[in-house]
Amino acid sequence: EIVLTQSPGTLSLSPGERATLSCRASQTVTSSYLAWYQQKPGQAPRLLIYGASSRATGIPDRFSGSGSGTDFTLTISRLEPEDFAVYYCQQYGSSPYTFGQGTKLEI
Amino acid sequence: EVQLEQSGAEVKKPGESLEISCKGSGYSFISYWIGWVRQMPGKGLEWMGIIYPGDSDIRYSPSFQGQVTISADKSISTAYLQWSSLEASDTAMYYCARPLVRGSVWAFDIWGQGTMVTVSS
Repeated sequence: EIVLTQSPGTLSLSPGERATLSCRASQTVTSSYLAWYQQKPGQAPRLLIYGASSRATGIPDRFSGSGSGTDFTLTISRLEPEDFAVYYCQQYGSSPYTFGQGTKLEI
Repeated sequence: EVQLEQSGAEVKKPGESLEISCKGSGYSFISYWIGWVRQMPGKGLEWMGIIYPGDSDIRYSPSFQGQVTISADKSISTAYLQWSSLEASDTAMYYCARPLVRGSVWAFDIWGQGTMVTVSS
């Protein structure tokens, strides 16, 4: 089973700043099958990034993903108030298709 | 519109059985995998398992294998998550989700609204 470790656990930033979230895998993620999700309180997760770097439909271009192998990054270039939420990475290259433990992005 | 509609919240006692459902609409149900994700109160997302309704191929996380049963009825475009004997530790929100790509296990782009399961004596 691939274990995904996200860091930091909590990230405290202000609107307008740049956010960099990390996701490290215990083994190589097949074909960069790595996704990022955003979850706000009381809501289902929302897909932001798939294939490590492809933005899902309707996702603003301030969100970008990068990385390969075992190290992946989600970058939010200029934080908007609505971006403060919890972010999860997930690998879907090898069953079980595990999630990271999440990074809370707080104001 | 592509949607996954989940059944309503449940309150059960330890030892009871339960089945929750997830109905797909607006797309070809048999052509996409459907996954289940657990979120315990205040905790992160846990991948439980996934089913392909077209041929009932199922993959379970080892953490949930033997603890739950995943099934689907393609005649009514509905997937199910079932417990035979609930425990207090099963208290959680359960989401169903559909991958982005037809016929492939992929990132989940469509999510149900979640079903809250509370197990308490």
